[in-house]
Amino acid sequence: DAGVIQSPRHEVTEMGQEVTLRCKPISGHNSLFWYRQTMMRGLELLIYFNNNVPIDDSGMPEDRFSAKMPNASFSTLKIQPSEPRDSAVYFCASSFRFRENTEAFFGQGTRLTVV
Amino acid sequence: GNSVTQMEGPVTLSEEAFLTINCTYTATGYPSLFWYVQYPGEGLQLLLKATKADDKGSNKGFEATYRKETTSFHLEKGSVQVSDSAVYFCALKPGSGGSNYKLTFGKGTLLTVNP
Repeated sequence: DAGVIQSPRHEVTEMGQEVTLRCKPISGHNSLFWYRQTMMRGLELLIYFNNNVPIDDSGMPEDRFSAKMPNASFSTLKIQPSEPRDSAVYFCASSFRFRENTEAFFGQGTRLTVV
Repeated sequence: GNSVTQMEGPVTLSEEAFLTINCTYTATGYPSLFWYVQYPGEGLQLLLKATKADDKGSNKGFEATYRKETTSFHLEKGSVQVSDSAVYFCALKPGSGGSNYKLTFGKGTLLTVNP
């Protein structure tokens, strides 16, 4: 398996523009997570999907952020409009039955820079 | 709430030196504990884990023992290599309850090993 695939790897955009980050989880995994990594706050969970359903979106910073999982093999994280403080590395992770102590597999991340 | 505190970096060692990265946690109940490693430009990879008190996780020469009495999960390696240079994250996941999917991470410790 190719692992969790994220695209793009790098994104530079201007403030106010819409940004869409994409994630393809490992086939067969039913849990999907979006994390954000910044120097100030470290790694933060943004949203957790189980069986394509959002279970916990309490980490989504504000209404400018939205995430979808239309099927088991694809998820998006959208920021509209983007702001410089959204600059961070965004990771997608997937797992099978993560609640039962299995491993979460992380993608390589998308480095977002908003100028 | 749950929290993880790990030693501030960066840590710089010579090859074959002994490594310890301290990690302590605050959590209710019996969380699972993890060490993740992030190599430059990569996502996080699970290095080792322990799911109950006194368990020892080990992988690639790294070890960590789940000490409930001291709420600690220190990472050790007897002889580091240049290839171990990376950022190391301590993390916990609640053992039960409604949020037992949420990984809480420490801030990370950058390790540099010089030849």
